[in-house]
Amino acid sequence: ETAVFQTPNYHVTQVGNEVSFNCKQTLGHDTMYWYKQDSKKLLKIMFSYNNKQLIVNETVPRRFSPQSSDKAHLNLRIKSVEPEDSAVYLCASSDSYEQYFGPGTRLTVL
Amino acid sequence: GDSVTQTEGLVTLTEGLPVMLNCTYQTIYSNPFLFWYVQHLNESPRLLLKSFTDNKRTEHQGFHATLHKSSSSFHLQKSSAQLSDSALYYCALSLSNNRIFFGDGTQLVVKP
Repeated sequence: ETAVFQTPNYHVTQVGNEVSFNCKQTLGHDTMYWYKQDSKKLLKIMFSYNNKQLIVNETVPRRFSPQSSDKAHLNLRIKSVEPEDSAVYLCASSDSYEQYFGPGTRLTVL
Repeated sequence: GDSVTQTEGLVTLTEGLPVMLNCTYQTIYSNPFLFWYVQHLNESPRLLLKSFTDNKRTEHQGFHATLHKSSSSFHLQKSSAQLSDSALYYCALSLSNNRIFFGDGTQLVVKP
């Protein structure tokens, strides 16, 4: 099956903890993304990454960082979560234009 | 800078009536790709329509849109709304170098 896979589906944690979310795509795409979808359903692009270049949205706090081992994997690490980080995090891959989204990881910060 | 504007945050209409969701974009790039993504409840966004050809109508699943570069628009339309069309719709602009810009989304609610 070719798709975008994310783990975990849900994660509940406390303020100050570190979390990490995994994303894998089997579509053979060169570019992957992380998005944050907040409670108002706004889609905010956080990072885009291919094997040549990482592009960071300058509004993303430094506690967020992408981690990639190869072009099929792009994980997201949050060093010390804050309450405002509660959201759905969507991973996507792209064939240069169209976005293919994973199922998302819902993060709740208590 | 590059951006996408969806003027309606919420559109509520009765089943059977026509649907039109507005999308305009801003870019100096001459060959933009425009997309409509649909997100149903508890799902992730998926592609509904796409176009990069000026003045050519594109259709899928009963929805259609035409990219008009002269007016920088890519409005989503359907002749007759169905209950199952209730969802969140995003318009998106894609440029070279993997740059993509999403609108704020329009929530469509179709009532019986």
